[in-house]
This record gives sequence, structure tokens and C-alpha cells, in this order.
Amino acid sequence: QVQLVQSGSELKKPGASVKVSCKASGYTFTSYAMNWVRQAPGQGLEWMGWINTNTGNPTYAQGFTGRFVFSLDTSVSTAYLQISSLKAEDTAVYYCARIDEGSPTREFDYWGQGTLVTVSS
Amino acid sequence: DIQMTQSPSSLSASVGDRVTITCRASQSISSYLNWYQQKPGKAPKLLIYAASSLQSGVPSRFSGSGSGTDFTLTISSLQPEDFATYYCQQSYTLYTFGQGTKLEIK
Repeated sequence: QVQLVQSGSELKKPGASVKVSCKASGYTFTSYAMNWVRQAPGQGLEWMGWINTNTGNPTYAQGFTGRFVFSLDTSVSTAYLQISSLKAEDTAVYYCARIDEGSPTREFDYWGQGTLVTVSS
Repeated sequence: DIQMTQSPSSLSASVGDRVTITCRASQSISSYLNWYQQKPGKAPKLLIYAASSLQSGVPSRFSGSGSGTDFTLTISSLQPEDFATYYCQQSYTLYTFGQGTKLEIK
């Protein structure tokens, strides 16, 4: 069965970096693009961008350029989100979610369980 | 950028009620509209894609309709497990989520 399993919660100090992983199983990793979605405490869902798992080419949404980096390790079917120079406002749950690159409708059909990143001094 | 506006932001209803949630796009998005359900502490779950297609495994009491700029999600007879927050999402140009509709027990 399809699974996206994310790394555990992180507590970081302002200015530090964090790397969140999303390990895929149950399907061909390179047949589905990977998206990242942020959810601040008590807030809604915010699309951060996506990465083409064939080419490794990332696309970042407005507001998620500069400090945010998407990457892959296709040998272990894993996508990564790295955030540098962390700020208190980066405190959120981060989700990975896949889309079928061959589907015209591009819905997010499977999601990881989420990773809570807390930024606090 | 395409903006998505859901209404209402919150809704109280009883088990067995018929409930409708509306989502409006700031420009035409054809049928590139998806609906998700999120329960507290859990990841969102896909309910409806392409405006009206039911995702596999989702109960038939959920349905979606609309095209262009106006869309609806309908739950025909609310069950206890349906109390959650619902989000629409456009996938016409990149992705944008609505702000969410919290469905609470009356």
C-alpha cells in the first residue's frame, strides 16, 4: 500500500536549520511528483511548492523562496524539505503529498502524517 | 494568483443533516477543484477531485459539483465521523487552498 512516512518532530532555535524527510513506499517514486504543504498552528493549508521526482527540478510558491529547499534521494525514495535561518513564524506542521504527474487533475491523493517543526529560543 | 474563498468559515449541524459548503475561485478554473477533509492532528484526506469525482474509498454521501468559479461540497446525511475541517483546492494553475470550513456538532 502507498505510504508517505515523514521524520519526527523537531525543536530548533531561531537561526538554525532543519531537514524534514518524506519516505515513500508502495509505488514507483519517480512516477509521482512531491509537494510540500505548511500548516501553522490553528491555521489553514498553504502550498509551498513541489519537486519533479524525475528531474529533481523544484518549483517554489511565492513566499517560499530563498530559505526553503526541496531535494530528493531517489535511491531511497525520499524527498526532503530543508529550511534555513529558522524564524519563530516557521513553527508549523509540514506535510508532503504526492501527485500523479500524468494526471490532468493533479489532486494530492496521498499525504505524509506531518512533521511538527517548532522554532523557539 | 488564483484566490479561493470558502463559505461558511464554520458551520454547526446535527447527525443526519444535509450540509453544503461553497468554494469560489477568483477566476475560472474549469473543473480543477479538489476537496479535502482534515481531522484534528491528522493529515488532510482527499475526498473529491476534478470537482465531482469521488476518491476511491470515500463514502457516497459525499458529492461535489460545479465548474468555472463556483463549486459545492455536499454531505447528504452527516455521520459522527464527518465532523472535521474541509478545504477546497484549485489545481488549475499551481495550487491554492481555500481557508477551510470547520464543521461542528450542533
